[in-house]
Amino acid sequence: KAGVTQTPRYLIKTRGQQVTLSCSPISGHRSVSWYQQTPGQGLQFLFEYFSETQRNKGNFPGRFSGRQFSNSRSEMNVSTLELGDSALYLCASSLEGGGASPLHFGNGTRLTVT
Amino acid sequence: AQSVTQPDIHITVSEGASLELRCNYSYGATPYLFWYVQSPGQGLQLLLKYFSGDTLVQGIKGFEAEFKRSQSSFNLRKPSVHWSDAAEYFCAVGARAGNNRKLIWGLGTSLAVNP
Repeated sequence: KAGVTQTPRYLIKTRGQQVTLSCSPISGHRSVSWYQQTPGQGLQFLFEYFSETQRNKGNFPGRFSGRQFSNSRSEMNVSTLELGDSALYLCASSLEGGGASPLHFGNGTRLTVT
Repeated sequence: AQSVTQPDIHITVSEGASLELRCNYSYGATPYLFWYVQSPGQGLQLLLKYFSGDTLVQGIKGFEAEFKRSQSSFNLRKPSVHWSDAAEYFCAVGARAGNNRKLIWGLGTSLAVNP
């Protein structure tokens, strides 16, 4: 079974631009969660989607948004990028959702904002 | 408030030595408990989980963890550490949030292994 695939692996953007990250979950998984990881803040939960509906949301500004498609693939978008958005963005899929079944993580997208 | 504490930010052990990583949580009911490991440049990988039943659970790579309800702890152990175990370790708790469960993460423990 293929694992969670995140694209692109690396991304460099400038302040003010927007970016879209993609995540393909494990086949059969209906839940996709997104995390931001930085050295100072650890793992910060962005949002979780289950069957195309946002089920949980973290404490991030509205510049961070996401969506899930009918095939469970998910995208997250960050608009008006700031320097502080530089981070590793991790996507994870699971059968039932992050708190009730194990997460399977992708290798992440490393975003650098200059 | 629900929280997960990993008291040790950084630990260094010698190869072959035993290891215990601590995890304490604050939650009113019995949670679902997880340990994940992250190698440099990688995503996180599940080491083991506890949902119910036997409080001593076995995981991959020779790790085990014990759920102690009275201490609200879920410490991770390994009898003999290998150099390849050097990584970041995260404890997570699945807690009820309305009709759903959400994951609450510890800040992680960075493990270094001396040869």
